[in-house]
Amino acid sequence: IAGITQAPTSQILAAGRRMTLRCTQDMRHNAMYWYRQDLGLGLRLIHYSNTAGTTGKGEVPDGYSVSRANTDDFPLTLASAVPSQTSVYFCASSELAGATDTQYFGPGTRLTVL
Amino acid sequence: GQNIDQPTEMTATEGAIVQINCTYQTSGFNGLFWYQQHAGEAPTFLSYNVLDGLEEKGRFSSFLSRSKGYSYLLLKELQMKDSASYFCASGGSYIPTFGRGTSLIVHP
Repeated sequence: IAGITQAPTSQILAAGRRMTLRCTQDMRHNAMYWYRQDLGLGLRLIHYSNTAGTTGKGEVPDGYSVSRANTDDFPLTLASAVPSQTSVYFCASSELAGATDTQYFGPGTRLTVL
Repeated sequence: GQNIDQPTEMTATEGAIVQINCTYQTSGFNGLFWYQQHAGEAPTFLSYNVLDGLEEKGRFSSFLSRSKGYSYLLLKELQMKDSASYFCASGGSYIPTFGRGTSLIVHP
């Protein structure tokens, strides 16, 4: 069982380019989340999905979009990347929706926008 | 809304005990999580408290006081491998919110 996988592991991107970060889980969890982690700022929620077909905005959603077409996949898209989006991005999932269940994190994607 | 505070950095000696505090102010509180993150790795779950009191798991224990909006993570018999960042996270308002993390440095 792989748990949660993310791709790519790392990426250097020119400003203005479009980029999709992929996230797949094989645990049949209902809820999925995208966080960005910056030094000194901890983990900040970008978007979340409580179940397939639904999404919601987190603390820092601007410049990002998500979709949840099925249970397993939760891609994060940067429509036009800017240098302030340089960060480490973690995808996570939990069996139950809401915020009362343990989250399992993917290995992360390190994104650099130049 | 959510507001979670924890110390930025702590240092401790191998074999000692360390307590990492976390205070929170949330609406619709649904429990308090602790996660551990080693450098360059993903966060991993340590503990979850929804009721007041102490939860013990081997060398790690977590305490919650809902009336005070306060939790702590207690690490006993510290080992070098415990050097990591520790995050408390609140389950309030159905959207998880993480504190900024406490970097724990364990030295010989």
